[in-house]
Amino acid sequence: SQTIHQWPATLVQPVGSPLSLECTVEGTSNPNLYWYRQAAGRGLQLLFYSVGIGQISSEVPQNLSASRPQDRQFILSSKKLLLSDSGFYLCAWSVSSADTQYFGPGTRLTVL
Amino acid sequence: GDSVTQMEGPVTLSEEAFLTINCTYTATGYPSLFWYVQYPGEGLQLLLKATKADDKGSNKGFEATYRKETTSFHLEKGSVQVSDSAVYFCALIHNNDMRFGAGTRLTVKP
Repeated sequence: SQTIHQWPATLVQPVGSPLSLECTVEGTSNPNLYWYRQAAGRGLQLLFYSVGIGQISSEVPQNLSASRPQDRQFILSSKKLLLSDSGFYLCAWSVSSADTQYFGPGTRLTVL
Repeated sequence: GDSVTQMEGPVTLSEEAFLTINCTYTATGYPSLFWYVQYPGEGLQLLLKATKADDKGSNKGFEATYRKETTSFHLEKGSVQVSDSAVYFCALIHNNDMRFGAGTRLTVKP
């Protein structure tokens, strides 16, 4: 069966510091991968998606970036965090863009 | 563009009450429809789905029927429990694009 992991579970970072969040999927090959952000008490915002290694599409302009160095690994990064980057970051995978998305446990990021 | 509208929360019910969370969508053609549940501090879990008109998705006592004529996918449960307290998201996939509703927070009191 397929599983999706996110690391770390929680993170507290000062403004201006760098960020690296990791997402890995097991039990499937060549998945579509997604990064979402959920601000406190709000809905989901799609940040990035990837249909293959090295292929990244950005949905909104921001100071975040994403990379996919391996088939089942998706990384969310920032060179300098802003207060507004605080939130709950969710990674998801699907077999294709038309299929069900399955979510990871999330990373709670607090920028102080 | 495609969109999903779900009833605003929060919704507060007593244990064993009947639950309905309304969800309507806007899309041309036939999207696939989903309900996800998010428990506090966790990611989203797929609760149920339906991929064509008149399909009924069901899981853990929850049900939703894909109604093309009313463009709706309302979530129902006959008897809620305290453990059902969570945020519920309605969503669709159409033309390889996924859209989520804003979420409805449900609190069930003993």
